[in-house]
Amino acid sequence: SAVISQKPSRDICQRGTSLTIQCQVDSQVTMMFWYRQQPGQSLTLIATANQGSEATYESGFVIDKFPISRPNLTFSTLTVSNMSPEDSSIYLCSVEAELTVTEAFFGQGTRLTVV
Amino acid sequence: GENVEQHPSTLSVQEGDSAVIKCTYSDSASNYFPWYKQELGKRPQLIIDIRSNVGEKKDQRIAVTLNKTAKHFSLHITETQPEDSAVYFCAASKNFGNEKLTFGTGTRLTIIP
Repeated sequence: SAVISQKPSRDICQRGTSLTIQCQVDSQVTMMFWYRQQPGQSLTLIATANQGSEATYESGFVIDKFPISRPNLTFSTLTVSNMSPEDSSIYLCSVEAELTVTEAFFGQGTRLTVV
Repeated sequence: GENVEQHPSTLSVQEGDSAVIKCTYSDSASNYFPWYKQELGKRPQLIIDIRSNVGEKKDQRIAVTLNKTAKHFSLHITETQPEDSAVYFCAASKNFGNEKLTFGTGTRLTIIP
């Protein structure tokens, strides 16, 4: 199975600042996904990150607020910019790995609190 | 785009009884339907999945059924145990590996000892 290391696991940030979340995978994957999960809610896709191309953002999410980097096939970052308390949430990265069965794997998540 | 609805939002069952969670999807091109279990404070983990060329799949106490005509799929857990208590999410994708997953809203399952 794919092993995903995501960090930081949690952070408390001041409003107006930015936080960069890192996601490292132990194998090469074509697509990486960034989700937001607000307390007690489902997973909402922020964007899809392919290596060597611009990330594709879902409706309601913009690059200026959530810039993404994908420098190689095993790593990606998501930045939450100019944070406000409404950005308090859990952010998860995910990959879809092809093994004997295809499944999606998730990082352990980053619990962000903006004060 | 795809829309996945999930019911019920909460479900409580006595230990040993069965639990059923249902999802409907909107895009007839969807062909991959996974179910995830998320325990409190942990990441979602795949428990079972089904593809559109199969109507039912079983793995010990867990089974998933798919009705392509009606565009709905269900998770069945038999002989429930306290460790089955968690939030369960269904999802759908039309080209898994090259397309995103669309998640349902989740079901909080509580097993009553």
